[in-house]
Amino acid sequence: DQQVKQNSPSLSVQEGRISILNCDYTNSMFDYFLWYKKYPAEGPTFLISISSIKDKNEDGRFTVFLNKSAKHLSLHIVPSQPGDSAVYFCAARSGGGADGLTFGKGTHLIIQP
Amino acid sequence: KAGVTQTPRYLIKTRGQQVTLSCSPISGHRSVSWYQQTPGQGLQFLFEYFSETQRNKGNFPGRFSGRQFSNSRSEMNVSTLELGDSALYLCASSLSFYEQYFGPGTRLTVT
Repeated sequence: DQQVKQNSPSLSVQEGRISILNCDYTNSMFDYFLWYKKYPAEGPTFLISISSIKDKNEDGRFTVFLNKSAKHLSLHIVPSQPGDSAVYFCAARSGGGADGLTFGKGTHLIIQP
Repeated sequence: KAGVTQTPRYLIKTRGQQVTLSCSPISGHRSVSWYQQTPGQGLQFLFEYFSETQRNKGNFPGRFSGRQFSNSRSEMNVSTLELGDSALYLCASSLSFYEQYFGPGTRLTVT
C-alpha cells in the first residue's frame, strides 16, 4: 500500500511554461512534506518543503501547495527551464520523524525547447 | 560546506557475501538515514541514527544493520547478500529530522 502516490510517471512541458507536479498521500499522520529532484546516478537534491500548518511555500521559481483536506500537494515550477528536466520525488514524514521519509515513485519531468 | 559523502561509489559482490557501506554526513549534522532505491520499489527507508543510537527502522530483514560513530559518520552492513539486494543505497544527513540532504549513493550489484 503506497502511502505517497505520484500518479504521473512522466510529464512533458515546454520551456518557459509552468510545470505542475502532483502528489497524493493517504496517511493523515504526515505533517511535513518535501520535494526532491534527482538526476541519473546522483542522490536526490532537496528542493522545497512545507509543514502541514501551511498551505503554500515559495522559493524562487518553486512553489509547493498543500491541500490537507484532499491529502494532495503539488509543486509548481515557473518558468520551466531545460535544467529542470529530472525525476521529481514527493516525500512525507510524520511528527517527530517516527518512520523516516516515505517517498512517491517519482515523476520524470521533461522540458522541451 | 562539504556535502554528504558515500564510499565506495560502486561495488560488486557475490551472493552470500557481506558488504559494508560508509557515509560521512554534512558537518554539524547528527542525524543520518539510509535508503534503498530499486526500480521496482522506489526509495525505501532503511534506518535512521542520531547520536549513535538507532532512532527508527524501516521494514527490512535483520540482514540489514547499521551503526553510527561519535563523529556522526555511519556505516551500514548487509550480510548474506541476495540478488535482490542489488540497488542504489543512499545516505542522507539532517540537522532537524525534517529536511534531509542526500549523498550520491553507492551502487551495489550482487551477482
